[in-house]
Amino acid sequence: GAGVSQSPSNKVTEKGKDVELRCDPISGHTALYWYRQRLGQGLEFLIYFQGNSAPDKSGLPSDRFSAERTGESVSTLTIQRTQQEDSAVYLCASSLVTGLSGGEQYFGPGTRLTVT
Amino acid sequence: GNSVTQMEGPVTLSEEAFLTINCTYTATGYPSLFWYVQYPGEGLQLLLKATKADDKGSNKGFEATYRKETTSFHLEKGSVQVSDSAVYFCALSEATNAGKSTFGDGTTLTVKP
Repeated sequence: GAGVSQSPSNKVTEKGKDVELRCDPISGHTALYWYRQRLGQGLEFLIYFQGNSAPDKSGLPSDRFSAERTGESVSTLTIQRTQQEDSAVYLCASSLVTGLSGGEQYFGPGTRLTVT
Repeated sequence: GNSVTQMEGPVTLSEEAFLTINCTYTATGYPSLFWYVQYPGEGLQLLLKATKADDKGSNKGFEATYRKETTSFHLEKGSVQVSDSAVYFCALSEATNAGKSTFGDGTTLTVKP
């Protein structure tokens, strides 16, 4: 397909609710990444997938955050019991192989999450 | 842990001025180094990369050299254009855990005609 797509583009939710963010990577890309970008800050690495497995989950901020990927395609990032500090832009990227050194990462447009 | 420190912005230059955006890093082993750019209203995209010491990455007139001795990867361009206005991110990926990457906070560049 075209590029990496993410949905929704914007999400406003009440504190305490669960949210699910979706990422559709470029077809054929085996690696998929999730980042968080707070206003005026850099990208915070959350998790990456090589195929359907996630070798490193250490970037997830708390046990309220989880992510899964099925069929080497779509990935979902779930945030349970959202808090105001979860407000940020959540970016997804994919690449042909794992790691920046192995291939360029292609980024999606992001999902802007606002927790009120 | 790993870290990337970028020159604080915002940076404002006149067209055709020389640009340097400093980037230094802390990492174990020999990471790969990258500059990403985010133009207004667009997503992040790779600008250039270097995977080993003394490598020079270049693209669109931008250059950066992987300096292991000073743990730096400064971005330079000899003559900036208005169209270079964007946010620039320095990043590294670990040598031993290639999927885990660290980004700097970004530097906003504005080029005035």
